[in-house]
Amino acid sequence: NAGVTQTPKFRVLKTGQSMTLLCAQDMNHEYMYWYRQDPGMGLRLIHYSVGEGTTAKGEVPDGYNVSRLKKQNFLLGLESAAPSQTSVYFCASSSTGGVGGYTFGSGTRLTVV
Amino acid sequence: KQEVTQIPAALSVPEGENLVLNCSFTDSAIYNLQWFRQDPGKGLTSLLLIQSSQREQTSGRLNASLDKSSGRSTLYIAASQPGDSATYLCAVRPGNFNKFYFGSGTKLNVKP
Repeated sequence: NAGVTQTPKFRVLKTGQSMTLLCAQDMNHEYMYWYRQDPGMGLRLIHYSVGEGTTAKGEVPDGYNVSRLKKQNFLLGLESAAPSQTSVYFCASSSTGGVGGYTFGSGTRLTVV
Repeated sequence: KQEVTQIPAALSVPEGENLVLNCSFTDSAIYNLQWFRQDPGKGLTSLLLIQSSQREQTSGRLNASLDKSSGRSTLYIAASQPGDSATYLCAVRPGNFNKFYFGSGTKLNVKP
């Protein structure tokens, strides 16, 4: 049982480039989330989804877009990367909106130069 | 908005000590609280999940307690080991919203 898988694990982008981070879960969870983690600021919610075909903004959505075309996948896109988006990105999923807790992926370390 | 605070930000103890990590939250109307462990460069591993109706949860050497009325949770680690060295995060799920609010974590170092 793989749980939550994130790809890629590491990436370096130049300012202005675009990329997509993929999150896949095999637990049939309805809810999926994208967080970013920065030193001294903890984990902050970027976007989340409460089911296939749905997305919603979190605390820090600017500069990011998401899609949930399939229940098991949640994609995070950066259309024009900025150095302020250098961070570690974590995907998480839950079966019932966090009632049973979260399961996290291992993270993607993104550096924008 | 729910605010979650973890004090201290860092803690260093000798091996074998029992220790307590603290988590406080501003809004007592929570659904549950989850403790995570994060190793350097790694993801978050769930340790314990306490529902709002529970007072504590135990797993091995770990015991988490919850006092909703005072907005506090503690994670007790018995007989600490160097392998316990990591950052410990608490996360609170509000009663009316399906996402968690995270504290900034306590970085624990257990010295051999």
